[in-house]
Amino acid sequence: DAGVTQSPTHLIKTRGQQVTLRCSPKSGHDTVSWYQQALGQGPQFIFQYYEEEERQRGNFPDRFSGHQFPNYSSELNVNALLLGDSALYLCASANGQGAAPSSYEQYFGPGTRLTVT
Amino acid sequence: RKEVEQDPGPFNVPEGATVAFNCTYSNSASQSFFWYRQDCRKEPKLLMSVYSSGNEDGRFTAQLNRASQYISLLIRDSKLSDSATYLCVVNRGGNNRKLIWGLGTSLAVNP
Repeated sequence: DAGVTQSPTHLIKTRGQQVTLRCSPKSGHDTVSWYQQALGQGPQFIFQYYEEEERQRGNFPDRFSGHQFPNYSSELNVNALLLGDSALYLCASANGQGAAPSSYEQYFGPGTRLTVT
Repeated sequence: RKEVEQDPGPFNVPEGATVAFNCTYSNSASQSFFWYRQDCRKEPKLLMSVYSSGNEDGRFTAQLNRASQYISLLIRDSKLSDSATYLCVVNRGGNNRKLIWGLGTSLAVNP
């Protein structure tokens, strides 16, 4: 049973550049959420995708955008990178959007560590 | 007031000790509660889900108090491998599927 996978594991970019991060959800999961985690902080919610649409969004600027594909995999794009975008970017998957509490359980990939210089 | 609050610690305990963490949440509509464990520079891993008044899994017990709007995590017979940050997570409630994360409580179990 494949877990959540993310690529790349590490990335170094320069200010002003653009970056694309990728995520494949856990087998059987159809909902993907993206988080940004700075050192010493809890994960900050960026957005969530379901049925190829952005369903929820956190307090992140439009420079952060995403996409979900028919196979449920997802991409996170960040434009015009700033030094403050340096963080661990985590992808989490869940099963369904129903009322069952278990549909809120999220399983994380290993993350992509982005460094902006 | 933050939506989810935890004591950041650190908690330093000897092996074999019992340690408890508390987490308070502000939204009375929240229905789903979780404890995640995160090791340094690793991803969070789901430790326990709390849907009713409580849940027990081996040495770990989570309890929910809806009236006072807090959840707790009790770890008995602490192991060195329990050293990590423990994150309290709460759903916002209703049709909002956003999860709200606490900043985490740091635990160090010492030999």
